[in-house]
Amino acid sequence: KQEVTQIPAALSVPEGENLVLNCSFTDSAIYNLQWFRQDPGKGLTSLLLIQSSQREQTSGRLNASLDKSSGRSTLYIAASQPGDSATYLCAVNTGANSKLTFGKGITLSVRP
Amino acid sequence: NAGVMQNPRHLVRRRGQEARLRCSPMKGHSHVYWYRQLPEEGLKFMVYLQKENIIDESGMPKERFSAEFPKEGPSILRIQQVVRGDSAAYFCASSPGTGWNQPQHFGDGTRLSIL
Repeated sequence: KQEVTQIPAALSVPEGENLVLNCSFTDSAIYNLQWFRQDPGKGLTSLLLIQSSQREQTSGRLNASLDKSSGRSTLYIAASQPGDSATYLCAVNTGANSKLTFGKGITLSVRP
Repeated sequence: NAGVMQNPRHLVRRRGQEARLRCSPMKGHSHVYWYRQLPEEGLKFMVYLQKENIIDESGMPKERFSAEFPKEGPSILRIQQVVRGDSAAYFCASSPGTGWNQPQHFGDGTRLSIL
């Protein structure tokens, strides 16, 4: 059974700092991995999707990497801004009917 | 291009009533997924549907819960005889297919509160 872990549960950093959010999963036989952002009371916004065969994906200030063999992914946020404050969720698609297995998320607070 | 539309955004029901949650996928998407987010818990998969077919309902409680995605109209998640433990945020996602590079796009969710 696939399990996804995100530690720590919360993180507070000053504005401008570069930061890394970690995600680990127990079963390396994955289809792809998605990073999402969730604002309070809102839905999920897809940030990046990394296919199983890829090592990383970039979008603006965000860079996500994937190391399947070790069961890890990281989301790198460059030059953090207060507007980046949200909960970041990692989800793994094991291909079995494409259902996603989610971590509990990391709540990020960027202080002005 | 409208995103995934869910309604209502908030739904209040008394114990024993029925709750109906609706989801219209993005245009061109024929795959729909329902997830539930309980307080202090992560999102959990409930059911995966394609038009007129339930593909995987392994995450759905065996009793009181049902889902459909008819040929015409939105996908419906129905909860009969609701109990306090059903209080949660229910999210719908859609995708155009199940390929390696197909992300799931989520709606804003329905917050269900049981009195």
